[in-house]
Amino acid sequence: DVKVTQSSRYLVKRTGEKVFLECVQDMDHENMFWYRQDPGLGLRLIYFSYDVKMKEKGDIPEGYSVSREKKERFSLILESASTNQTSMYLCASRRDRLQGYTFGSGTRLTVV
Amino acid sequence: DQQVKQNSPSLSVQEGRISILNCDYTNSMFDYFLWYKKYPAEGPTFLISISSIKDKNEDGRFTVFLNKSAKHLSLHIVPSQPGDSAVYFCAASEAGNQFYFGTGTSLTVIP
Repeated sequence: DVKVTQSSRYLVKRTGEKVFLECVQDMDHENMFWYRQDPGLGLRLIYFSYDVKMKEKGDIPEGYSVSREKKERFSLILESASTNQTSMYLCASRRDRLQGYTFGSGTRLTVV
Repeated sequence: DQQVKQNSPSLSVQEGRISILNCDYTNSMFDYFLWYKKYPAEGPTFLISISSIKDKNEDGRFTVFLNKSAKHLSLHIVPSQPGDSAVYFCAASEAGNQFYFGTGTSLTVIP
């Protein structure tokens, strides 16, 4: 089974901090995605990557950046955390465009 | 603007009865649809898919129906079990691009 691992289940950070959320997948998947889930808003796409060193903005990229230096790892960076970035963050991957996603367990981030 | 909508935030069903979860979309170019199930504090897990060349796909207790003319899909769970209690998300994509997700429906199956 494909495994998508998010490094932290719960994080508490202070406003203004730089925050790194890490995601690693172990099945050589080409595509990786970062979503956030908020009540009443569903899952919204922040950034995605179809290949190493490649990144594309999703629907809500403001305040975020990403890094994909290696195929298996896709990092989400909050440059200066704000309280409105308190959310559940979900990483997902898929082998190619013909497949659905496999999700990680999520990181619940609270910014205080 | 939300391209995939789940208009019922919650649904309660008696154990053993049918659960019907609905999803509407606006983009007629969407050609691949998924349903995911999510428990609290866990990531979504894949449940069932359907492509636009079909109007029905069945997997055990789960059946997804697609009505392309109405831009509507539904997930039927028969019979419903307490372990089915979770949030269900539908998702849609066009030509293998990224998936757009609905806002989710929280299903409670009452024993």
